[in-house]
Amino acid sequence: QKEVEQNSGPLSVPEGAIASLNCTYSDRVSQSFFWYRQYSGKSPELIMSIYSNGDKEDGRFTAQLNKASQYVSLLIRDSQPSDSATYLCAVKGGRRALTFGSGTRLQVQP
Amino acid sequence: GAGVSQSPSNKVTEKGKDVELRCDPISGHTALYWYRQSLGQGLEFLIYFQGNSAPDKSGLPSDRFSAERTGGSVSTLTIQRTQQEDSAVYLCASSLAVEGGYTFGSGTRLTVV
Repeated sequence: QKEVEQNSGPLSVPEGAIASLNCTYSDRVSQSFFWYRQYSGKSPELIMSIYSNGDKEDGRFTAQLNKASQYVSLLIRDSQPSDSATYLCAVKGGRRALTFGSGTRLQVQP
Repeated sequence: GAGVSQSPSNKVTEKGKDVELRCDPISGHTALYWYRQSLGQGLEFLIYFQGNSAPDKSGLPSDRFSAERTGGSVSTLTIQRTQQEDSAVYLCASSLAVEGGYTFGSGTRLTVV
């Protein structure tokens, strides 16, 4: 079992719709959770961080964390073609470095 | 500097040669990380440095890989006797603290022929 699991996609949504990206993790002592966006040929950029159960909103992005279910999600409202990218979930536990999932490719259709 | 700087951006080397990849983190960031990403894959952790503590080398795939960080700033990742499976993008990141999110450099694309 991978430590951080994501559906590879592609997840295809029409422009203006809500995109829902999901991630599960195996280490129960994980404390910090991050979402990175990676455009093709570019390096990952941090878009959201979440540390406690519940929702955290930042503009069109909402991160959701459920530690009991070991589940993190990212919602993108009013999806735009410019949101088309691979979204990487990353998890941190203890003094270890971030562990990344393999990413979900999102395609927003104009 | 304003961002994480990596050099070279591209490196083509012959199998069996040694290569050195450089990373200059954001000024003031105490933590520095090396990852690699093979085509279409996720990020594989290699090594990280935090302040003056001993580095976490648990992700290095073999003893051909080593890294150092001089003066708590610039880091060099060295791959000895390169193999074709070492071909990947090597990404360096830094963070203000171990708990925070990372800022990545633009990476070094290594191709072993």
